[in-house]
Amino acid sequence: KNEVEQSPQNLTAQEGEFITINCSYSVGISALHWLQQHPGGGIVSLFMLSSGKKKHGRLIATINIQEKHSSLHITASHPRDSAVYICAADQPKLIFGTGTRLQVFP
Amino acid sequence: DGGITQSPKYLFRKEGQNVTLSCEQNLNHDAMYWYRQDPGQGLRLIYYSQIVNDFQKGDIAEGYSVSREKKESFPLTVTSAQKNPTAFYLCASTPLGTANTGELFFGEGSRLTVL
Repeated sequence: KNEVEQSPQNLTAQEGEFITINCSYSVGISALHWLQQHPGGGIVSLFMLSSGKKKHGRLIATINIQEKHSSLHITASHPRDSAVYICAADQPKLIFGTGTRLQVFP
Repeated sequence: DGGITQSPKYLFRKEGQNVTLSCEQNLNHDAMYWYRQDPGQGLRLIYYSQIVNDFQKGDIAEGYSVSREKKESFPLTVTSAQKNPTAFYLCASTPLGTANTGELFFGEGSRLTVL
């Protein structure tokens, strides 16, 4: 069993839909990262959080330390949100999930 | 604009050749990392460096070498000893945190194909 598991692996949505991507981990962490990998391959950091909830624009990230679970939500999804979303457990050694591929259609 | 620059973006290599991937950052970050990405797998750490002239092996260092002669530069050499070098390589940097890695900054990646 992987130490960091993401679900779903693939996700298809219509523009405007509310999206949720889940990340569960089995290790102790000091923080959890959410990253976005765009089709060209480059990766952008979206959030680093160690408790509670953070919000940037239409993106919301939550974490439940007791349950070892984090979620990334996208409100009012748009085709430009199409990307691979990766969570990483920070121990501080980073353990990466395998990613969730999101496609948003107009 | 501050950021990380990786080059080349695409690289083709014949078996038996060494190749060097460049990674330069102007973020004044102390820590730099090299990751390898393969289809269906999470990023795996090859090498990292937290200070000039010092670096540590990651989980999959065999067949790779690095140097850190300057704070802003962390080149990765893929040697002929690497059995399966075809992959996507990502360089990253962070300000040296205490309790955690800190916010991650990535380059655009280098895709290496061995012919």
